[in-house]
Amino acid sequence: DQQVKQNSPSLSVQEGRISILNCDYTNSMFDYFLWYKKYPAEGPTFLISISSIKDKNEDGRFTVFLNKSAKHLSLHIVPSQPGDSAVYFCAARSLGGDKIIFGKGTRLHILP
Amino acid sequence: KAGVTQTPRYLIKTRGQQVTLSCSPISGHRSVSWYQQTPGQGLQFLFEYFSETQRNKGNFPGRFSGRQFSNSRSEMNVSTLELGDSALYLCASSLGAGLDTEAFFGQGTRLTVV
Repeated sequence: DQQVKQNSPSLSVQEGRISILNCDYTNSMFDYFLWYKKYPAEGPTFLISISSIKDKNEDGRFTVFLNKSAKHLSLHIVPSQPGDSAVYFCAARSLGGDKIIFGKGTRLHILP
Repeated sequence: KAGVTQTPRYLIKTRGQQVTLSCSPISGHRSVSWYQQTPGQGLQFLFEYFSETQRNKGNFPGRFSGRQFSNSRSEMNVSTLELGDSALYLCASSLGAGLDTEAFFGQGTRLTVV
């Protein structure tokens, strides 16, 4: 049973517009959430994270929102740029930090 | 500074064999984590080592094991290889323990089991 779900395998967004990547989780004991970005033939790169005690964290063009009641988080990229085309992984850490669970990823295409 | 280095980059093994993968973290980093990436399962956490001790472990069978040396370099071993073990194995290093801070990934080792 998938505890971290990224239900959209791919997403296409016009350059300059907002990209919204979604992630749902089932375990209310997760206490920390992370987003990673991955280009082909490279390892994932840490992007942004959020603690479960917050509902928003912003870093430049990237903002992560956490809705604990809905067990949902989203990554907003504004404005989207061609270099943002990559696979984005959502990850959740269990309370106590004993494991991290990743979603299957969403491939983002930024269209010119 | 040099990034995370994984060797070898590509490996082909036959079923039943065992394999050892190596990861050299960024200088000064003491935490090394291992992940398996497959098309069907996505990215899955294997284990984390910090100061030569395994701190965390994912849901993988005992055929998957690892260790960390005093210089923070880490090795991962898979014994009695199965076809389903074919995957990209990624290593990540970070300064401190825990999986909530910036982790820097290597390019991975592509293992093919035939």
